[in-house]
Amino acid sequence: GNSVTQMEGPVTLSEEAFLTINCTYTATGYPSLFWYVQYPGEGLQLLLKATKADDKGSNKGFEATYRKETTSFHLEKGSVQVSDSAVYFCALFYNQGGKLIFGQGTELSVKP
Amino acid sequence: DTAVSQTPKYLVTQMGNDKSIKCEQNLGHDTMYWYKQDSKKFLKIMFSYNNKELIINETVPNRFSPKSPDKAHLNLHINSLELGDSAVYFCASSQEAGRETQYFGPGTRLLVL
Repeated sequence: GNSVTQMEGPVTLSEEAFLTINCTYTATGYPSLFWYVQYPGEGLQLLLKATKADDKGSNKGFEATYRKETTSFHLEKGSVQVSDSAVYFCALFYNQGGKLIFGQGTELSVKP
Repeated sequence: DTAVSQTPKYLVTQMGNDKSIKCEQNLGHDTMYWYKQDSKKFLKIMFSYNNKELIINETVPNRFSPKSPDKAHLNLHINSLELGDSAVYFCASSQEAGRETQYFGPGTRLLVL
């Protein structure tokens, strides 16, 4: 079946450090891939997305590239800030099922 | 103006009670969803409605009954609440059923004692 696996958290970094959160997926067909972010006490917000292989999604300094050959969509940011502390969810959408399938979430804590 | 809103934000209740959570979206979207987020932050879809019709119904106990009076509203009624129902419930909407980008509400934190 379709599934998403993310690296386990929590991830703790110092401000200005480089961030990578790994995400791999299993899917039939060609899903769209997403990163959502959940700040403390809030709902999920779309961070970025990519709809086909080799697409790069980017927003607020975050980037992720849809890699079909490795079935991955790793999230990166060159220099994290304290305000980036949140839970990050990788997700896939396959049109046939009409559902978003989420990974388990990775908590990021950035210390000053 | 909030795009997807939910009420109440917090709900504390006793086992066996019946409660409802309301969701409204002002985005003009056709499709709405309910998700459950457990204590480990795992997020799973429960239901989806497209233009007031049920299109996704995951393996959810029939104590949970969604109701969509119009396409801007999707309410969730829960009968005979159990301890395991304690979670955060998120409502979301998308422009149409095949559109991937979903917009989430702030969540309703349900605690069953």
